[in-house]
Amino acid sequence: GDSVTQMEGPVTLSEEAFLTINCTYTATGYPSLFWYVQYPGEGLQLLLKATKADDKGSNKGFEATYRKETTSFHLEKGSVQVSDSAVYFCALSGIYNQGGKLIFGQGTELSVKP
Amino acid sequence: GAVVSQHPSRVICKSGTSVKIECRSLDFQATTMFWYRQFPKKSLMLMATSNEGSKATYEQGVEKDKFLINHASLTLSTLTVTSAHPEDSSFYICSAHLRGSQETQYFGPGTRLLVL
Repeated sequence: GDSVTQMEGPVTLSEEAFLTINCTYTATGYPSLFWYVQYPGEGLQLLLKATKADDKGSNKGFEATYRKETTSFHLEKGSVQVSDSAVYFCALSGIYNQGGKLIFGQGTELSVKP
Repeated sequence: GAVVSQHPSRVICKSGTSVKIECRSLDFQATTMFWYRQFPKKSLMLMATSNEGSKATYEQGVEKDKFLINHASLTLSTLTVTSAHPEDSSFYICSAHLRGSQETQYFGPGTRLLVL
C-alpha cells in the first residue's frame, strides 16, 4: 500500500541554519504530496503542497519539489528561525483520492535554538 | 481561512465511562471528516472516514463499536469513545475535507483524552 517515510528526529539547529527534512514515498500512480506543520499545542496546518511531478511547493520560506524519479519530496528552508520549531509531517493523497484521504509520515520534530 | 474546532480540548474520565468529542467546521461545509489518533512522538493514525448522512468507514484494526462516529450534518461530526480504558488515552484529531476542493483537509486543534 501507499506509505510515507520521513527522516528521524528530533532535528536541532541554530537560528539561520539551513534545514532539510527528507521525505520519500511509495504510491501507485502519481499522488499529491503535502507538508503539514504542527506547532506545540496546536493542530496541523498545511505548509505547502505539490500535485504533479516537478512541481515546487513553497510557503513561508519553505520549499519542496516533487521528484518522481526519486519518489521524494524533501522540505528545505534556507534560514530557520526559532519560531519554526514544530513537528513537520510529510503526507500523500493517493491517486484514487478517496475524498481527500491522507497518508502521513511519522513526523520530524524540529527544534531551533537562538 | 477554513476553521475547524474541536470540543473539548482536553478531558479526563474514569475507566468504563464514555466520552464524546465534537468536530465542527465553522465556516464551510464538509462532506467528509476524518478522525485520527496521535500517539506521543508518533504520526497520525487514521481511524475512520466520516461521510455526512452515511455510516463511517473504519480503518483496519479500529473497533467500530468502541469508537462510534456520527456525522449528522455538513458541519458536525462526533467521535464517542465508549467504555474508555487507560489504553484509549491519546490525542484525537479531526479534519474536515472542504467540499468542492480536491484534496484540501483542514485540521482541528485536537482533543487530549486521559482515562484514569
